[in-house]
Amino acid sequence: DADVTQTPRNRITKTGKRIMLECSQTKGHDRMYWYRQDPGLGLRLIYYSFDVKDINKGEISDGYSVSRQAQAKFSLSLESAIPNQTALYFCATADRTGGTDTQYFGPGTRLTVL
Amino acid sequence: GDSVTQMEGPVTLSEEAFLTINCTYTATGYPSLFWYVQYPGEGLQLLLKATKADDKGSNKGFEATYRKETTSFHLEKGSVQVSDSAVYFCALRYNQGGKLIFGQGTELSVKP
Repeated sequence: DADVTQTPRNRITKTGKRIMLECSQTKGHDRMYWYRQDPGLGLRLIYYSFDVKDINKGEISDGYSVSRQAQAKFSLSLESAIPNQTALYFCATADRTGGTDTQYFGPGTRLTVL
Repeated sequence: GDSVTQMEGPVTLSEEAFLTINCTYTATGYPSLFWYVQYPGEGLQLLLKATKADDKGSNKGFEATYRKETTSFHLEKGSVQVSDSAVYFCALRYNQGGKLIFGQGTELSVKP
C-alpha cells in the first residue's frame, strides 16, 4: 500500500462549489504539506502543518483552507471553487526527527473547475 | 525573494546521450538543494540532494554538485535511458520550516 494517499485522484466540479481534497499517510510523519502544480510554474506551497495544532499559510493560501484532523490526515478545502484553481494538487509529508529532510509526495489529485 | 530557475524544456535526447539540466538559485542564506523526479502519472520522488557548498549528490547514475560561487546545482547523467523520461524539478530548502521552493520543472524525453 502507498504511504501517502490522496482522494479523490480526479475531480471535476463547477464554479462556486465547495470541494475537499483529502490526504492520509501511514509514515508516522508529523509534518504535512499541500502544493499545487501548474504547467510552467513548478509546485507552489499552499499550506503546511508541523503537527495537529500547528498550521501555517504558504505562498498561495488565498481561496484555500485546511484541517489537520489527526497526525495522519490533512485535508485541503476550496470553499468556493473558481476556474483558476484548476491544477494538480499534491500532498507531502516529512519527518523532523533524525535529521532527515526528505519530503514524500502522494500521487496527486487532478482538479478541474468549470 | 528566494527562487529557483531551471532550463526550459522539453529536452529530447537519444538513448545513451549525455544529459545536463541547468538549475540556478537565488537565496539569502545557505539552503540545501534537491532534485526531484516526477514520472508520468506519479507524485514527486527525491532523486538526490546536497546540503552544503561543494557537496555532490548522486543517485541512479545522476549527479549534481552544489556550486556556491555560481549559485548552481546542475543535474547530469552520462548515459540516459528511455526509462529516465520524466519531469525533473530543482528545489531549495532552508532548515527552518522545511518548506521547499521549486523551479518550474524540465521535461525530459529519451527516444530509443
